[in-house]
Amino acid sequence: GAVVSQHPSRVICKSGTSVKIECRSLDFQATTMFWYRQFPKQSLMLMATSNEGSKATYEQGVEKDKFLINHASLTLSTLTVTSAHPEDSSFYICSAREGTFSYNSPLHFGNGTRLTVT
Amino acid sequence: AQKITQTQPGMFVQEKEAVTLDCTYDTSDQSYGLFWYKQPSSGEMIFLIYQGSYDEQNATEGRYSLNFQKARKSANLVISASQLGDSAMYFCAMREGTGNTPLVFGKGTRLSVIA
Repeated sequence: GAVVSQHPSRVICKSGTSVKIECRSLDFQATTMFWYRQFPKQSLMLMATSNEGSKATYEQGVEKDKFLINHASLTLSTLTVTSAHPEDSSFYICSAREGTFSYNSPLHFGNGTRLTVT
Repeated sequence: AQKITQTQPGMFVQEKEAVTLDCTYDTSDQSYGLFWYKQPSSGEMIFLIYQGSYDEQNATEGRYSLNFQKARKSANLVISASQLGDSAMYFCAMREGTGNTPLVFGKGTRLSVIA
């Protein structure tokens, strides 16, 4: 089955530093990847849609200059949290779908990255 | 308005019993898909089952079945013969349209299976 790999699984950083999270589709090409954020005991909220070779589309309320997304190849999307602050501490999880327009295809998720900003 | 509503924050079920997790949805699209995911404490999202808006039969996958009532806009997940390993968060999600669009998730239901 389709596998999405996300790295790192856990990161602790100091306030003001930047953190990069990688999301790879291992056995399929993904022209589009979706980045979600999940605060403790809450649901997954879509942050942005990452498109290979073009700019990401951000959801309302998500700062594009703070959460930089780069989708440089058909198998890799990166999310960089710039100048991280404690309120950015959260669980970040990426996802992608096999096949571009197969509406019954589920999203395959990476294992997520738990970010803690101290 | 919320697109996906899960009204049960937490549910308990005895091992080997069946349990139903509720999900209602709101969309004006004719083409849409409904998905259920399981999230254990480790955080990974595990796809369980899918139901398309045009599917006439209720979806089934092993111990999971989806009770799809289109007129009522509900897509309840039924887990039969519950196991201790079923204890997790369960999310209902919807994809609207037929393009490569993201999923919108409900708030989830925490299921606890009791021995």
